[in-house]
Amino acid sequence: AQKVTQAQTEISVVEKEDVTLDCVYETRDTTYYLFWYKQPPSGELVFLIRRNSFDEQNEISGRYSWNFQKSTSSFNFTITASQVVDSAVYFCALSEHRGGADGLTFGKGTHLIIQP
Amino acid sequence: NAGVTQTPKFQVLKTGQSMTLQCAQDMNHEYMSWYRQDPGMGLRLIHYSVGAGITDQGEVPNGYNVSRSTTEDFPLRLLSAAPSQTSVYFCASSYEGTGRAYGYTFGSGTRLTVV
Repeated sequence: AQKVTQAQTEISVVEKEDVTLDCVYETRDTTYYLFWYKQPPSGELVFLIRRNSFDEQNEISGRYSWNFQKSTSSFNFTITASQVVDSAVYFCALSEHRGGADGLTFGKGTHLIIQP
Repeated sequence: NAGVTQTPKFQVLKTGQSMTLQCAQDMNHEYMSWYRQDPGMGLRLIHYSVGAGITDQGEVPNGYNVSRSTTEDFPLRLLSAAPSQTSVYFCASSYEGTGRAYGYTFGSGTRLTVV
């Protein structure tokens, strides 16, 4: 069975600090897909990234970067120079199907608080 | 705008009442799914569908029924509501997209309270 663990329940940092959110996953499949979602206080789920298991290249998008390490089954998310608007709950998720046909398995989320 | 539409946004039910949460998408996505979100639990999969006429159970299916008669619609039915079903419900759709920028599309959620 697949499983996603986000061990950090809550993280609080001061604005402009860098912060890393951890995600560790378990799956028996050799092909799988990892996701990160952001849930701001307004409640909607905002897609951030999808990563395929066969693509280990790290990804950078502005202040956001993702580090995929197959050897440790981790897919960590770093925000550089954090801003108050980054305050949200962040979810890591896993699917063993490219289209997510069988649904996503989510971690319990990390509540990120950016203090001004 | 294209996307996933959930109705209603808020609902209060009495224990034992039945209701249907509606979910519709206009993106011609093959796959649809329902999740519930409870504090500290993340999102958990209730039911999913890989196409019209095909549904299957997820992690927490008890107390919920689904059907998918069309590609666009995937309603979630509570036959006899219980306080344990108080939660925020999200519907999502997806397809076999490629590339790093592809991901699920979620509806805005339905906040359900059972008293």
